[in-house]
Amino acid sequence: DAMVIQNPRYQVTQFGKPVTLSCSQTLNHNVMYWYQQKSSQAPKLLFHYYDKDFNNEADTPDNFQSRRPNTSFCFLDIRSPGLGDAAMYLCATSRDPSSYNEQFFGPGTRLTVL
Amino acid sequence: GENVEQHPSTLSVQEGDSAVIKCTYSDSASNYFPWYKQELGKGPQLIIDIRSNVGEKKDQRIAVTLNKTAKHFSLHITETQPEDSAVYFCAPNFRDDKIIFGKGTRLHILP
Repeated sequence: DAMVIQNPRYQVTQFGKPVTLSCSQTLNHNVMYWYQQKSSQAPKLLFHYYDKDFNNEADTPDNFQSRRPNTSFCFLDIRSPGLGDAAMYLCATSRDPSSYNEQFFGPGTRLTVL
Repeated sequence: GENVEQHPSTLSVQEGDSAVIKCTYSDSASNYFPWYKQELGKGPQLIIDIRSNVGEKKDQRIAVTLNKTAKHFSLHITETQPEDSAVYFCAPNFRDDKIIFGKGTRLHILP
């Protein structure tokens, strides 16, 4: 089955210690998104890649970076995690960036910051 | 500015009864209105969507109705079942071609 895979499902890091979250997709979609979802809140878009073009949201902190080495993979790097960065991180894909398109979400990575 | 309001934040209904969740948006240019369902430990999944040229769309027990004049759309679930328990998000698009998720409605189906 075509899908969006996120690894690991649970990640624990220490305050200030860099961490990388991984997302892969078998849908061959052009767009990959990263969302942050805090407890009982809506997903909040951090940034997305349209092919190799990176699109950052205006209010995404510099502490968050992303890499997309190829169509299938996308990484979220948190350079210096703070306690406020503890959240579920969701990866999603779509065929193109038009807002008409369904977004396909992975199961998420729950990040704990100690 | 871009604003999405979703009500109620929590809804409990008896199994077999109907549930209705409402989403209000601010941009008169919005023309795509999806609903996503998020089960515990999973990512959101699209369950139904509607475009602005249609007033209602139905898929088995799920329906979405749109009132463009009033700028709101609603999710209707009939004959609710235990597996309908989840968090539901509306996510209308805006003129900058982005979607914004509502704050979510936690639906509890009571036995």
